[in-house]
Amino acid sequence: DAGITQSPRYKITETGRQVTLMCHQTWSHSYMFWYRQDLGHGLRLIYYSAAADITDKGEVPDGYVVSRSKTENFPLTLESATRSQTSVYFCASSESSGGNQPQHFGDGTRLSIL
Amino acid sequence: GDSVTQMEGPVTLSEEAFLTINCTYTATGYPSLFWYVQYPGEGLQLLLKATKADDKGSNKGFEATYRKETTSFHLEKGSVQVSDSAVYFCALKVYAGGTSYGKLTFGQGTILTVHP
Repeated sequence: DAGITQSPRYKITETGRQVTLMCHQTWSHSYMFWYRQDLGHGLRLIYYSAAADITDKGEVPDGYVVSRSKTENFPLTLESATRSQTSVYFCASSESSGGNQPQHFGDGTRLSIL
Repeated sequence: GDSVTQMEGPVTLSEEAFLTINCTYTATGYPSLFWYVQYPGEGLQLLLKATKADDKGSNKGFEATYRKETTSFHLEKGSVQVSDSAVYFCALKVYAGGTSYGKLTFGQGTILTVHP
């Protein structure tokens, strides 16, 4: 089915471990985004990508790394997980940066770091 | 900078009641406005949008009108159902041209619970 898929849906890991969250979209959208959602903070942008091999920081990029070798994939890596990174992570995509273009969201990954 | 302010929740209503969730914004450019809905355990889904002043977005019985003079985009529904229980996010997007990536700025979200 067309759409945006995140995996895994749930993940538990330990502090100091590396963990990668996957995001795949089938629309060939140019723009992709990673957000984290925390109580009291709403959604905050971690990183975004305007095209393959073009990425840039959002509001809260520290401790995260992204890559985009193919248009359809945008993985997010926590190189050394910390408890403060326990959150729900959402990936989104958008056809363009145009004002009338909405972002389309995946179902999220709930990440717990012990 | 850009910002979105939503009415604080949670909002609790009985089925068939009238719903209003207030949303006001400040924007540095020419914003498009969106309402997203998040059902439990799911991602955000686009509910409706409006891209210029006086536009009315509508979907699934929900409506919102882009009011430039009051910088508002209030969400309304005439008769809510239990299935409308969710978190609602107001958001804006300013396209500044050039290298703009079309940042989406969200409000904090409003939790709506509808009882039978």
